[in-house]
Amino acid sequence: ILNVEQSPQSLHVQEGDSTNFTCSFPSSNFYALHWYRWETAKSPEALFVMTLNGDEKKKGRISATLNTKEGYSYLYIKGSQPEDSATYLCAFESGGSNYKLTFGKGTLLTVNP
Amino acid sequence: EPEVTQTPSHQVTQMGQEVILRCVPISNHLYFYWYRQILGQKVEFLVSFYNNEISEKSEIFDDQFSVERPDGSNFTLKIRSTKLEDSAMYFCASKIDRGPSYEQYFGPGTRLTVT
Repeated sequence: ILNVEQSPQSLHVQEGDSTNFTCSFPSSNFYALHWYRWETAKSPEALFVMTLNGDEKKKGRISATLNTKEGYSYLYIKGSQPEDSATYLCAFESGGSNYKLTFGKGTLLTVNP
Repeated sequence: EPEVTQTPSHQVTQMGQEVILRCVPISNHLYFYWYRQILGQKVEFLVSFYNNEISEKSEIFDDQFSVERPDGSNFTLKIRSTKLEDSAMYFCASKIDRGPSYEQYFGPGTRLTVT
């Protein structure tokens, strides 16, 4: 059974703070690591798909890094804004799995104005 | 921007009844999925579908569940005889092609409540 863990479970920050959270995943049979941003009543929105060890990806104020050898990824948000408030999900895609995703439980971020 | 749509957004049904959850994936996508999230738990994989057949299913996806792509547009999940423990948010997703660099695009979900 694949185990994907995210920490922390929830996070409250002030507007302007920078923050980061962690996703850990199995280091064997790695295919890709996905990050999603999910607001209630909306579709989970794909942020990044990361495939190579050492990958760093950036979208605006959000960036992510990947370490496949030790099995972790970090998501960073610089200068958090209230509109960044959402649940951030990571999902592990293993090789030969028909591309199914195994999700962590998510990190609920609340940014206070 | 193309998106995955799901209907209904909320379905309430009685235990033992059949439900059909509907999804319209992005039109040129080839891989289709159903996931669900029971309240407070992780999003979990149910089934993947490619080339008009199931390519993989989880242990949750027993004989009570079935999927269909009846008309090249819709992708449905049927639960024949719902149980209380089927109450969850059900997500449909689609992916354009095989390969690790492609994203799975998710719909907004259908919240199924079994009473």
